[in-house]
Amino acid sequence: LAKTTQPISMDSYEGQEVNITCSHNNIATNDYITWYQQFPSQGPRFIIQGYKTKVTNEVASLFIPADRKSSTLSLPRVSLSDTAVYYCLVGDYRGSQGNLIFGKGTKLSVKP
Amino acid sequence: DAMVIQNPRYQVTQFGKPVTLSCSQTLNHNVMYWYQQKSSQAPKLLFHYYDKDFNNEADTPDNFQSRRPNTSFCFLDIRSPGLGDAAMYLCATRGQGNYEQYFGPGTRLTVT
Repeated sequence: LAKTTQPISMDSYEGQEVNITCSHNNIATNDYITWYQQFPSQGPRFIIQGYKTKVTNEVASLFIPADRKSSTLSLPRVSLSDTAVYYCLVGDYRGSQGNLIFGKGTKLSVKP
Repeated sequence: DAMVIQNPRYQVTQFGKPVTLSCSQTLNHNVMYWYQQKSSQAPKLLFHYYDKDFNNEADTPDNFQSRRPNTSFCFLDIRSPGLGDAAMYLCATRGQGNYEQYFGPGTRLTVT
């Protein structure tokens, strides 16, 4: 499984766009990039997943450059409720050995 | 709503006294996972079931066992809990061929 590197923490203010970048230099051809969000005392929650270029859903956007060695999670206009830990995971999770190995994650603090 | 349910949400046990945590799902997913998450750390995979096939992570202590009597239920048994086993235990499921894992709310285990 590809190792990921993310900033340990980030601060933002309400209404701002937040971009969290994840490095995954040894990503494999079959690997997908997945982001999870975790609030205190809750289980992680799937946010978004992508393979290349750009993916957008109602919550976030995921930008993946052509070399796929990094990815950026973009949260538009964050609110206080977006304060959470965000995990970047890379791997091919579909098969019987498709397991999630969590890195340290990025603790996002949104201030008023 | 289809979901992953964990009972109890909070569990207190005594040092060395066996304890069982339970997880049920209404998603009919064939893959089920158990994670351990200690304070301010990322979730750590303990083991998973792919259908009935049990897969143990190499560094999961022998003190931890699991049972999956049917598709819907999965149990985590801690045979002799130590103080270091105090943590949040997360159950998750995944459908075959899918990437997204669905996490339960977790059971917070306290060992006295």
